[in-house]
Amino acid sequence: AQSVTQPDIHITVSEGASLELRCNYSYGATPYLFWYVQSPGQGLQLLLKYFSGDTLVQGIKGFEAEFKRSQSSFNLRKPSVHWSDAAEYFCAVVWYTGGFKTIFGAGTRLFVKA
Amino acid sequence: DTGVSQNPRHKITKRGQNVTFRCDPISEHNRLYWYRQTLGQGPEFLTYFQNEAQLEKSRLLSDRFSAERPKGSFSTLEIQRTEQGDSAMYLCASEEGTNEKLFFGSGTQLSVL
Repeated sequence: AQSVTQPDIHITVSEGASLELRCNYSYGATPYLFWYVQSPGQGLQLLLKYFSGDTLVQGIKGFEAEFKRSQSSFNLRKPSVHWSDAAEYFCAVVWYTGGFKTIFGAGTRLFVKA
Repeated sequence: DTGVSQNPRHKITKRGQNVTFRCDPISEHNRLYWYRQTLGQGPEFLTYFQNEAQLEKSRLLSDRFSAERPKGSFSTLEIQRTEQGDSAMYLCASEEGTNEKLFFGSGTQLSVL
């Protein structure tokens, strides 16, 4: 069965420090990969997506993610975190199983300290 | 506002009551999804529509849950005989064709007392 794992429930980083949020998925076929961000009281907003091609993808707000097929991973990175980045981040994977289905990870809560 | 709209934003109900939520997707988006999200969890797939046709329904969804999208535009999600375990954020998302990029509404927060 398909599954998406975000091993870190929460992460705290200092403002200006670099960030990496981990995401791993199971299942054999290469899926479509996404990262979403959810701020308090807000719906989910797409940060970036990977369909094919260059395995390093750029997103909004200075985020990037790298797809590593051998590790079944799609980790999200940002070189310098801003206080406004504090939010919940969800990795999502889309598989085609007769129809497209999106499965989300449990999320990683990012805290930013001054 | 051309985003996905959900109403109401909050709903408090007593156990055993029926509730109905509405979702207005982005116009011309022919796919519409419902997800449920509880604290500390990612959104959990409930069901999705291609135009007015309900193509898939999660096995996690009990018979108390029903969703409709009668004209292929807005959708409603009804929960009958609510239970405390139904308390969650119910998210709606729409997608244009097979773009696989979901646009989410702000959700309806349901609290069952």
